[in-house]
Parts: sequence; structure tokens; C-alpha cells
Amino acid sequence: EAGVTQFPSHSVIEKGQTVTLRCDPISGHDNLYWYRRVMGKEIKFLLHFVKESKQDESGMPNNRFLAERTGGTYSTLKVQPAELEDSGVYFCASSQDQGGPQHFGDGTRLSIL
Amino acid sequence: EDQVTQSPEALRLQEGESSSLNCSYTVSGLRGLFWYRQDPGKGPEFLFTLYSAGEEKEKERLKATLTKKESFLHITAPKPEDSATYLCAVQARRNFNKFYFGSGTKLNVKP
Repeated sequence: EAGVTQFPSHSVIEKGQTVTLRCDPISGHDNLYWYRRVMGKEIKFLLHFVKESKQDESGMPNNRFLAERTGGTYSTLKVQPAELEDSGVYFCASSQDQGGPQHFGDGTRLSIL
Repeated sequence: EDQVTQSPEALRLQEGESSSLNCSYTVSGLRGLFWYRQDPGKGPEFLFTLYSAGEEKEKERLKATLTKKESFLHITAPKPEDSATYLCAVQARRNFNKFYFGSGTKLNVKP
């Protein structure tokens, strides 16, 4: 079984530019989550999809972040415009059942210069 | 506010030297506690879920236990390949899809 796949693994952009991160969950997992870890801090929740619907986006830091999950399959997280404080590692996870173990991808390391 | 504290931040062990990692939590209505292992440059890898005080789970040299205030990850006779960062995450009953993570314990096992 293929795990959660994230692309790109690294991204370096300048402040003010736009970046889009992609996540492909485990096949058949309706639940998809985004988390991030900024320097020196713990991993923090951003949002949760069930299929194509946003269930909880309470962790999204501001309206520069936009997450979508077209057709309930893969998801994208767009940051526009990027700011210095957005640097960190963005993780995607998926689960078969709500509340069940979440399985993580290897993350996208985002650096804003 | 829901909070997870892990200790120690870092732990060095000799191969075969058993020890325990601690995860203390403050959450309003715990639904579950999860242990993950994370290798450098990789995402967290799921190890165990614990749901109630007194519950124990085992996998190879690892055993996780849960009380009403904390969880322990016991490592028996560790090997160098057990070196990794171990993360603890909790979920509350009121919103069980949102995991709260601790900062992790970085374990280094020397041969």
C-alpha cells in the first residue's frame, strides 16, 4: 500500500511569491489533514477535510493560506503571498476513520527568503 | 488549553540500556493518545494508540502505557536502529480529528 505522498519535498521562494504544496493521501482514505512545524516548535494542526469538504480549518493562520481538495482525492495548500514566518515543514496526513490513527507523509520543507 | 509536554528533550543510551520516555498531557476529555516515531527528513510514523488509563501496547522493544495524566514509552534493551525522535500526540473528545503534538524526545542509542 502506497503511503501519503507530498510534493515538492523542498521549496525555496522569495517573500511575496506564491507556492502550492500537494498531498496525495493513502488510497481510500476520506480524511485528510494538514499540519506544519515552524522552527523550534511542535507540529500544529492546520485543517481537516472529509472527502472534498473542509470539516475544521481552525488552525489556518490567516487568509493567505488556501487549502482545496478537488474531487475528494489529492489536496493542495497554497500560500499567497508568502511571508518569512511561513517557513517550516508542512505535513499532510490521512486516515481511514475519523479519530483514527493519522498516517503522515514526509513533508514539504518550505523556505521563504 | 490543551497541552502536551514530553521529557526529556534528548536521551543518550548505550545499546541494551533500558529507559522510559514521558508524555504529560492536559486535555479536556482525552479520547486517545498516539505515539509516533520520526526519523530525520521523514514524516511521523504511527506506533501506538492508547484510549484508557491502564491500557498497554507493545511492539518489539517498545511498550506504551497510559495513566490519567501521562503516558510512558518504555524501551527495553534498545538497539542503534531505535535512534529517532519519538512524538506523542493527544486528541480530545470534543474534536477528535485535531491532534495536539508534543515537541518530542530525541533518542540516540550508541552501539
